[in-house]
Amino acid sequence: SQTIHQWPATLVQPVGSPLSLECTVEGTSNPNLYWYRQAAGRGLQLLFYSVGIGQISSEVPQNLSASRPQDRQFILSSKKLLLSDSGFYLCAWSLGGTAPYEQYFGPGTRLTVT
Amino acid sequence: AQRVTQPEKLLSVFKGAPVELKCNYSYSGSPELFWYVQYSRQRLQLLLRHISRESIKGFTADLNKGETSFHLKKPFAQEEDSAMYYCALAPNTDKLIFGTGTRLQVFP
Repeated sequence: SQTIHQWPATLVQPVGSPLSLECTVEGTSNPNLYWYRQAAGRGLQLLFYSVGIGQISSEVPQNLSASRPQDRQFILSSKKLLLSDSGFYLCAWSLGGTAPYEQYFGPGTRLTVT
Repeated sequence: AQRVTQPEKLLSVFKGAPVELKCNYSYSGSPELFWYVQYSRQRLQLLLRHISRESIKGFTADLNKGETSFHLKKPFAQEEDSAMYYCALAPNTDKLIFGTGTRLQVFP
């Protein structure tokens, strides 16, 4: 069966520090991968998605970037965190092709920028 | 512009009362619409999709193209229905656009 992992579960970082959040999927090949930010009052905001290695689509211009160095690995990064980067970050995957609509979510990472 | 609107941040009902969670969308083509749910301390998961025309946990949702709505309904709410509900639109096969979510509280 397929599983999705995210780490760390929680993170407290000072303003201006770098960020690296990792997401990995097991039990499937060539998944679509997604990064979301979940914020109170703003719902679930799609940040980046990837349909293959090295293919990244950015949905919201901001202080963050994403990379997909391996088929089932998706990384969310920042060179210098801002206070506004605080939030709950979710990674998700789906099957590509003609039936990609069901997305499977990870447990999330709670990021607090101080 | 492609958009999903959930006008209610919070909906509170008593057990046994009917529930309707509102969702309106903006999309020029034929929409693919979904409801996702997040129970306390659980992961966000798919509840139902309009193309399946299914009833999951007593919930149904009907696509109304004239009103551009996809409201989620249940005739008799249960306490275990308390959760965060998100409506989502698939503008293409690669991604979903989520609404801001509605928190449903069902009181005993």
